[in-house]
Amino acid sequence: DAGVIQSPRHEVTEMGQEVTLRCKPISGHNSLFWYRQTMMRGLELLIYFNNNVPIDDSGMPEDRFSAKMPNASFSTLKIQPSEPRDSAVYFCASSLSGTGNGEQYFGPGTRLTVT
Amino acid sequence: TQLLEQSPQFLSIQEGENLTVYCNSSSVFSSLQWYRQEPGEGPVLLVTVVTGGEVKKLKRLTFQFGDARKDSSLHITAAQPGDTGLYLCAQRGYQKVTFGTGTKLQVIP
Repeated sequence: DAGVIQSPRHEVTEMGQEVTLRCKPISGHNSLFWYRQTMMRGLELLIYFNNNVPIDDSGMPEDRFSAKMPNASFSTLKIQPSEPRDSAVYFCASSLSGTGNGEQYFGPGTRLTVT
Repeated sequence: TQLLEQSPQFLSIQEGENLTVYCNSSSVFSSLQWYRQEPGEGPVLLVTVVTGGEVKKLKRLTFQFGDARKDSSLHITAAQPGDTGLYLCAQRGYQKVTFGTGTKLQVIP
């Protein structure tokens, strides 16, 4: 089975441009998580969805960030306008909530560079 | 949200050496997970510990959960270059996971 799929793997954009990151969770999983990882701040949870509904977006840094999950097999994280401080690796993860060990399966990440 | 502190932050050792990394919190963990993240990839779950004093082994890796459930350790015996990566502890909540600061391990051949 395919794991979590993220695209693009690398994105380089100029300050002020809109950036859209995409994620396809593992089929059958009903929870989806967006994380950001930087050297300074480590792995931070931005937002998570359960059954396509946003449950906790308290980690979203500011209004420039938005996330959607229109169906169980697709989610997007959008940054508009992007800034250099948004440069990071963005991970999407999915899990089957309610399972015993609560294992999250991570995608390979999108490395975003904003110049 | 409790803060999970890991130590050391960085560790560089020779192949064959043993090492221990730590995860600490000021609050009690409901349960704790350890993940390993290899360069260019996402974290992968290694183990979940639930009971105070619990010890789990995964080949050369030994995970221990403190009796008071406020700390955990990961011990690697005879480290190999394939063990290189970022080791993250994480508190598992009902639906979300909060990650620690991480220990970056480099094993030199």
